Amino acid sequence: DQQVKQNSPSLSVQEGRISILNCDYTNSMFDYFLWYKKYPAEGPTFLISISSIKDKNEDGRFTVFLNKSAKHLSLHIVPSQPGDSAVYFCAASVGAQKLVFGQGTRLTINP
Amino acid sequence: DSGVTQTPKHLITATGQRVTLRCSPRSGDLSVYWYQQSLDQGLQFLIQYYNGEERAKGNILERFSAQQFPDLHSELNLSSLELGDSALYFCASSVNLEAIDEQFFGPGTRLTVL
Repeated sequence: DQQVKQNSPSLSVQEGRISILNCDYTNSMFDYFLWYKKYPAEGPTFLISISSIKDKNEDGRFTVFLNKSAKHLSLHIVPSQPGDSAVYFCAASVGAQKLVFGQGTRLTINP
Repeated sequence: DSGVTQTPKHLITATGQRVTLRCSPRSGDLSVYWYQQSLDQGLQFLIQYYNGEERAKGNILERFSAQQFPDLHSELNLSSLELGDSALYFCASSVNLEAIDEQFFGPGTRLTVL
């Protein structure tokens, strides 16, 4: 039972353009969402989060959008930079408890 | 460097064997989480300890167990290993007990079961 899904295993974007990573969830009880980024041979690192009482959260080049009615989460990176090439995981939680992660999307930024 | 250390980095063993993975959290962090990442899979939460006590359980098999010691380091014990246990095992730590607090991940231990 995959409660959090990232349907695109990979995404390729040109440097300077916008990268949009998507995440869908099935559990309507999820009330907090996070994005983690992972480089090869390293553990994931926290990127940005959003509570279900908001529909947008911005941090520099990174913006997360939450559409509760569609049970859809997206991460926008603009402008995309070569250092953004990594695997991105979305995660969700109910009541600040354990995180449920998606399968990840590999983002490649092309020069 | 997240400040979380995991040993060993790589582990190769045979089916039926038992192994222990070790994690040292960041200084001051009381929560330790264990995750499993199998091939092409996302991170699967296994278990969380907070200040020595089990706090939350995820999809952890009965063959697996963990503990957190008084010095706050943690060990994940995997027994009766099967081929399907081959995976990357990550440990993460955070200051508080809420999973939504920023978790700092170690580099992982790659387990290969032959």
